[in-house]
Amino acid sequence: DQQVKQNSPSLSVQEGRISILNCDYTNSMFDYFLWYKKYPAEGPTFLISISSIKDKNEDGRFTVFLNKSAKHLSLHIVPSQPGDSAVYFCAASAEGANSKLTFGKGITLSVRP
Amino acid sequence: ETGVTQTPRHLVMGMTNKKSLKCEQHLGHNAMYWYKQSAKKPLELMFVYNFKEQTENNSVPSRFSPECPNSSHLFLHLHTLQPEDSALYLCASSLHTGTGGGEQYFGPGTRLTVT
Repeated sequence: DQQVKQNSPSLSVQEGRISILNCDYTNSMFDYFLWYKKYPAEGPTFLISISSIKDKNEDGRFTVFLNKSAKHLSLHIVPSQPGDSAVYFCAASAEGANSKLTFGKGITLSVRP
Repeated sequence: ETGVTQTPRHLVMGMTNKKSLKCEQHLGHNAMYWYKQSAKKPLELMFVYNFKEQTENNSVPSRFSPECPNSSHLFLHLHTLQPEDSALYLCASSLHTGTGGGEQYFGPGTRLTVT
Protein backbone atom coordinates (compact mmCIF):
# COMPACT_ATOMS: atom_id res chain seq x y z
CA ASP A 1 0.00 0.00 0.00
CA GLN A 2 1.48 3.33 -1.06
CA GLN A 3 2.00 5.70 1.84
CA VAL A 4 2.96 8.63 -0.38
CA LYS A 5 0.76 9.23 -3.37
CA GLN A 6 1.23 11.47 -6.36
CA ASN A 7 -1.96 10.73 -8.20
CA SER A 8 -1.37 12.87 -11.27
CA PRO A 9 1.36 11.34 -13.43
CA SER A 10 1.91 14.48 -15.47
CA LEU A 11 1.28 18.21 -15.63
CA SER A 12 1.73 20.69 -18.47
CA VAL A 13 1.82 24.45 -17.91
CA GLN A 14 2.67 27.55 -19.90
CA GLU A 15 5.92 29.35 -19.20
CA GLY A 16 5.39 32.15 -16.70
CA ARG A 17 2.34 30.54 -15.12
CA ILE A 18 2.12 28.74 -11.79
CA SER A 19 2.78 25.01 -11.52
CA ILE A 20 1.07 23.21 -8.64
CA LEU A 21 2.22 19.68 -7.88
CA ASN A 22 0.23 17.73 -5.33
CA CYS A 23 1.13 14.94 -2.94
CA ASP A 24 -0.94 13.02 -0.38
CA TYR A 25 0.23 10.75 2.40
CA THR A 26 -1.45 8.24 4.65
CA ASN A 27 1.03 7.68 7.47
CA SER A 28 0.29 10.07 10.34
CA MET A 29 3.79 9.44 11.71
CA PHE A 30 5.38 11.32 8.83
CA ASP A 31 6.67 14.66 10.04
CA TYR A 32 9.23 15.72 7.46
CA PHE A 33 8.51 16.16 3.79
CA LEU A 34 10.77 16.77 0.83
CA TRP A 35 10.54 17.43 -2.88
CA TYR A 36 13.15 16.11 -5.27
CA LYS A 37 13.55 16.96 -8.94
CA LYS A 38 14.93 14.55 -11.51
CA TYR A 39 16.15 15.19 -15.04
CA PRO A 40 16.62 12.27 -17.48
CA ALA A 41 19.88 10.38 -17.00
CA GLU A 42 20.52 12.11 -13.66
CA GLY A 43 19.76 11.21 -10.08
CA PRO A 44 17.12 13.09 -8.07
CA THR A 45 18.26 16.40 -6.60
CA PHE A 46 16.88 17.90 -3.43
CA LEU A 47 14.63 20.89 -4.03
CA ILE A 48 12.87 21.96 -0.86
CA SER A 49 11.61 20.50 2.40
CA ILE A 50 9.15 21.25 5.18
CA SER A 51 8.81 20.11 8.75
CA SER A 52 5.42 19.30 10.20
CA ILE A 53 5.71 22.22 12.62
CA LYS A 54 5.32 24.57 9.67
CA ASP A 55 2.65 24.93 7.04
CA LYS A 56 4.68 26.80 4.45
CA ASN A 57 8.28 27.00 3.33
CA GLU A 58 9.50 29.24 0.55
CA ASP A 59 12.74 29.25 -1.42
CA GLY A 60 12.83 31.58 -4.37
CA ARG A 61 10.32 30.48 -6.98
CA PHE A 62 9.49 27.32 -5.00
CA THR A 63 7.01 27.14 -2.14
CA VAL A 64 5.82 24.03 -0.34
CA PHE A 65 2.54 24.04 1.54
CA LEU A 66 1.60 21.44 4.14
CA ASN A 67 -1.93 20.69 5.31
CA LYS A 68 -1.52 18.18 8.12
CA SER A 69 -5.21 17.66 8.76
CA ALA A 70 -5.72 16.71 5.13
CA LYS A 71 -2.39 14.85 4.93
CA HIS A 72 -1.66 16.83 1.83
CA LEU A 73 1.23 18.87 0.56
CA SER A 74 1.81 20.81 -2.59
CA LEU A 75 4.72 22.37 -4.42
CA HIS A 76 4.14 25.69 -6.15
CA ILE A 77 6.53 26.96 -8.79
CA VAL A 78 6.05 30.60 -9.76
CA PRO A 79 6.83 31.62 -12.43
CA SER A 80 7.37 28.33 -14.22
CA GLN A 81 10.31 28.14 -16.60
CA PRO A 82 11.11 25.62 -19.36
CA GLY A 83 14.12 24.47 -17.32
CA ASP A 84 11.71 23.32 -14.63
CA SER A 85 10.55 20.51 -16.93
CA ALA A 86 11.47 17.35 -15.02
CA VAL A 87 10.04 14.60 -12.84
CA TYR A 88 9.19 15.77 -9.32
CA PHE A 89 9.15 13.31 -6.43
CA CYS A 90 7.46 13.88 -3.10
CA ALA A 91 9.08 12.07 -0.15
CA ALA A 92 8.33 11.76 3.54
CA SER A 93 9.98 10.48 6.69
CA ALA A 94 9.04 9.89 10.31
CA GLU A 95 10.80 11.41 13.34
CA GLY A 96 14.11 9.74 14.05
CA ALA A 97 14.05 8.00 10.71
CA ASN A 98 15.47 10.59 8.39
CA SER A 99 17.23 7.76 6.68
CA LYS A 100 14.03 6.07 5.65
CA LEU A 101 12.43 8.21 2.99
CA THR A 102 9.21 7.00 1.44
CA PHE A 103 8.79 8.29 -2.09
CA GLY A 104 5.84 8.86 -4.36
CA LYS A 105 5.86 7.72 -7.99
CA GLY A 106 6.65 11.18 -9.29
CA ILE A 107 4.95 13.75 -11.50
CA THR A 108 6.32 14.72 -14.90
CA LEU A 109 6.13 18.49 -15.31
CA SER A 110 6.35 20.01 -18.78
CA VAL A 111 6.66 23.77 -19.07
CA ARG A 112 5.76 25.00 -22.55
CA PRO A 113 7.65 28.03 -23.91
CA GLU B 1 27.73 17.67 -10.10
CA THR B 2 26.13 16.13 -7.02
CA GLY B 3 29.30 14.74 -5.52
CA VAL B 4 27.95 11.19 -5.74
CA THR B 5 29.22 9.07 -8.61
CA GLN B 6 28.09 5.64 -9.74
CA THR B 7 29.68 3.12 -12.06
CA PRO B 8 28.82 1.62 -14.40
CA ARG B 9 26.03 3.81 -15.74
CA HIS B 10 24.58 0.95 -17.75
CA LEU B 11 24.91 -2.80 -17.19
CA VAL B 12 23.49 -5.77 -19.04
CA MET B 13 23.97 -9.12 -17.36
CA GLY B 14 22.74 -12.66 -17.68
CA MET B 15 20.98 -14.44 -14.87
CA THR B 16 24.06 -16.52 -14.07
CA ASN B 17 26.52 -13.62 -14.02
CA LYS B 18 28.07 -11.94 -11.02
CA LYS B 19 28.60 -8.20 -11.19
CA SER B 20 29.05 -5.28 -8.81
CA LEU B 21 27.76 -1.73 -8.77
CA LYS B 22 29.97 0.93 -7.27
CA CYS B 23 29.09 4.21 -5.58
CA GLU B 24 31.46 6.88 -4.30
CA GLN B 25 30.64 10.10 -2.52
CA HIS B 26 32.94 13.10 -2.19
CA LEU B 27 30.78 15.05 0.24
CA GLY B 28 32.23 13.93 3.55
CA HIS B 29 28.99 12.17 4.43
CA ASN B 30 28.68 9.23 6.78
CA ALA B 31 25.48 7.60 5.59
CA MET B 32 24.98 5.86 2.27
CA TYR B 33 21.94 4.26 0.69
CA TRP B 34 20.90 1.96 -2.15
CA TYR B 35 17.55 2.50 -3.84
CA LYS B 36 15.80 0.63 -6.62
CA GLN B 37 13.52 2.36 -9.11
CA SER B 38 11.44 0.07 -11.31
CA ALA B 39 9.29 1.34 -14.14
CA LYS B 40 6.07 3.00 -12.95
CA LYS B 41 7.01 2.48 -9.29
CA PRO B 42 8.30 4.75 -6.54
CA LEU B 43 11.91 4.65 -5.42
CA GLU B 44 12.31 1.75 -3.01
CA LEU B 45 14.89 1.89 -0.25
CA MET B 46 17.05 -1.24 -0.22
CA PHE B 47 19.91 -0.74 2.22
CA VAL B 48 21.24 1.92 4.58
CA TYR B 49 24.72 2.25 6.03
CA ASN B 50 25.63 4.69 8.76
CA PHE B 51 29.32 5.05 9.67
CA LYS B 52 29.99 1.82 7.70
CA GLU B 53 27.45 -0.16 9.68
CA GLN B 54 24.35 -1.52 7.97
CA THR B 55 21.30 -0.10 9.71
CA GLU B 56 18.57 -1.03 7.30
CA ASN B 57 17.84 -4.01 5.06
CA ASN B 58 14.43 -3.50 3.57
CA SER B 59 13.66 -7.20 3.04
CA VAL B 60 15.95 -7.35 0.02
CA PRO B 61 16.58 -10.81 -1.53
CA SER B 62 19.99 -12.29 -0.77
CA ARG B 63 20.98 -12.15 -4.44
CA PHE B 64 21.72 -8.49 -3.66
CA SER B 65 24.68 -8.14 -1.30
CA PRO B 66 25.84 -4.69 -0.16
CA GLU B 67 29.31 -3.80 1.03
CA CYS B 68 30.49 -0.58 2.64
CA PRO B 69 34.27 -0.65 3.22
CA ASN B 70 34.36 2.99 4.32
CA SER B 71 32.06 5.99 4.54
CA SER B 72 32.92 7.10 1.01
CA HIS B 73 32.33 3.87 -0.88
CA LEU B 74 29.36 1.59 -1.28
CA PHE B 75 29.04 -1.50 -3.43
CA LEU B 76 26.12 -3.66 -4.47
CA HIS B 77 27.16 -7.17 -5.43
CA LEU B 78 24.77 -8.93 -7.77
CA HIS B 79 24.47 -12.66 -8.44
CA THR B 80 21.88 -14.96 -10.01
CA LEU B 81 19.52 -12.07 -10.68
CA GLN B 82 16.10 -12.39 -12.25
CA PRO B 83 14.70 -10.38 -15.19
CA GLU B 84 12.37 -8.57 -12.77
CA ASP B 85 15.46 -7.13 -11.09
CA SER B 86 15.97 -4.94 -14.14
CA ALA B 87 15.68 -1.38 -12.87
CA LEU B 88 17.53 1.84 -12.15
CA TYR B 89 19.70 1.46 -9.05
CA LEU B 90 20.41 4.70 -7.26
CA CYS B 91 22.96 5.43 -4.59
CA ALA B 92 22.57 8.32 -2.17
CA SER B 93 24.43 9.80 0.78
CA SER B 94 23.68 12.13 3.67
CA LEU B 95 25.57 13.57 6.61
CA HIS B 96 24.21 10.80 8.84
CA THR B 97 20.95 8.97 9.39
CA GLY B 98 19.79 10.60 12.60
CA THR B 99 17.63 13.65 13.13
CA GLY B 100 19.36 16.61 11.56
CA GLY B 101 21.31 14.37 9.24
CA GLY B 102 20.29 16.45 6.29
CA GLU B 103 18.97 15.71 2.88
CA GLN B 104 20.05 12.81 0.74
CA TYR B 105 22.19 13.48 -2.32
CA PHE B 106 21.76 11.05 -5.17
CA GLY B 107 24.09 9.69 -7.80
CA PRO B 108 23.02 9.38 -11.45
CA GLY B 109 22.13 5.71 -11.12
CA THR B 110 23.03 2.46 -12.86
CA ARG B 111 20.54 1.23 -15.43
CA LEU B 112 20.57 -2.57 -14.99
CA THR B 113 19.10 -5.00 -17.50
CA VAL B 114 18.96 -8.69 -16.65
CA THR B 115 18.56 -10.97 -19.65
